[in-house]
Amino acid sequence: AQSVAQPEDQVNVAEGNPLTVKCTYSVSGNPYLFWYVQYPNRGLQFLLKYITGDNLVKGSYGFEAEFNKSQTSFHLKKPSALVSDSALYFCAVRDTNRDDKIIFGKGTRLHILP
Amino acid sequence: KAGVTQTPRYLIKTRGQQVTLSCSPISGHRSVSWYQQTPGQGLQFLFEYFSETQRNKGNFPGRFSGRQFSNSRSEMNVSTLELGDSALYLCASNTWTGTGSYNEQFFGPGTRLTVL
Repeated sequence: AQSVAQPEDQVNVAEGNPLTVKCTYSVSGNPYLFWYVQYPNRGLQFLLKYITGDNLVKGSYGFEAEFNKSQTSFHLKKPSALVSDSALYFCAVRDTNRDDKIIFGKGTRLHILP
Repeated sequence: KAGVTQTPRYLIKTRGQQVTLSCSPISGHRSVSWYQQTPGQGLQFLFEYFSETQRNKGNFPGRFSGRQFSNSRSEMNVSTLELGDSALYLCASNTWTGTGSYNEQFFGPGTRLTVL
């Protein structure tokens, strides 16, 4: 069965420093991978996705993610964090070998310290 | 283009009651997914509908049900509410790009259900 793990419940980063939010996945076939962000009292907003092609995916708000097939990871990164990046981040995966649902991780709360 | 609409935004019910939540997807989208979000469990998939047909269902008890109408609007119903059903219920309007292709999801603001 497909699954996705976000090993950190919370990540604290100083403003201006690079940030990484980790995600690992497990699927039987090739994955479709997604990152979403949730701000307080709002729904989820799409950040970026990996379907195929270049392993480095660029998304909204300066975020990027790197697909690593050997490590089954899809970590979210940003070179320089902003206080406004503070939010809840979700990684999601869909198994392309199966006509199946998208599975979300439990989320990582990102705190950017001024 | 209008976004995803969910009604009501907030709801307070007591144990044993039932509740119906509504979701109107983005115009032209024929697929809707429902999720339950709680602090401890994150987002858990409830069900997915495409053109009035349930395509996928998560691991929730039969008290949770849903349907989709011909205009793509969807409802989910929870009967015999329990305290543990308190959560944010999110609806996503899905796009598809062909057979077996990915879907991109646009989420509504959610319905906050509190069960007392």
